[in-house]
Amino acid sequence: QKEVEQNSGPLSVPEGAIASLNCTYSDRGSQSFFWYRQYSGKSPELIMFIYSNGDKEDGRFTAQLNKASQYVSLLIRDSQPSDSATYLCAVMDSGYSTLTFGKGTMLLVSP
Amino acid sequence: GAGVSQSPSNKVTEKGKDVELRCDPISGHTALYWYRQRLGQGLEFLIYFQGNSAPDKSGLPSDRFSAERTGESVSTLTIQRTQQEDSAVYLCASTSDRGLYGYTFGSGTRLTVV
Repeated sequence: QKEVEQNSGPLSVPEGAIASLNCTYSDRGSQSFFWYRQYSGKSPELIMFIYSNGDKEDGRFTAQLNKASQYVSLLIRDSQPSDSATYLCAVMDSGYSTLTFGKGTMLLVSP
Repeated sequence: GAGVSQSPSNKVTEKGKDVELRCDPISGHTALYWYRQRLGQGLEFLIYFQGNSAPDKSGLPSDRFSAERTGESVSTLTIQRTQQEDSAVYLCASTSDRGLYGYTFGSGTRLTVV
């Protein structure tokens, strides 16, 4: 049973702070990792993906991957109220067929 | 089309009725996925199509659920004899690259069984 675990939150941060979202996964053979953002009542939209250990930066977002610890995280710098949403971690299985999603972490950024 | 299109956007049905949900993927996308999201919950995998074959049906919750896909085009998810626990948002996604760069989701069908 492939599992992806996230703290449900809510994670509350003030505007301008760094938000840190974490995710662990059970399938050691997983190779690809994704972060999606989902606003209330909307469908998920892809923010970033990462394949290799280390950091990957895209604008205000940094994804971090540690395969040995089976841990992936998303940092959001200079958080804005518009970043308030649920962030879903997703892991591609080792056969590259389907994504398994965590239940998501709700982020609240206060002005 | 420019994005993944799902219809209807909302569906209210009476318990025991059958419903059909439609997904039109992005043109050229060979893989298509159905997920279910109950209120306040995460995404639950239902079924995956590569072309018109379904290598993975493991997520279909019961034999009341079935899905088909015509070629590399439209897919239909059918729920027979709907139950109240079937109430959820049904999300369709597609990709052209085995998901190496993630999936693109449609806006979903909100199903309410009364």
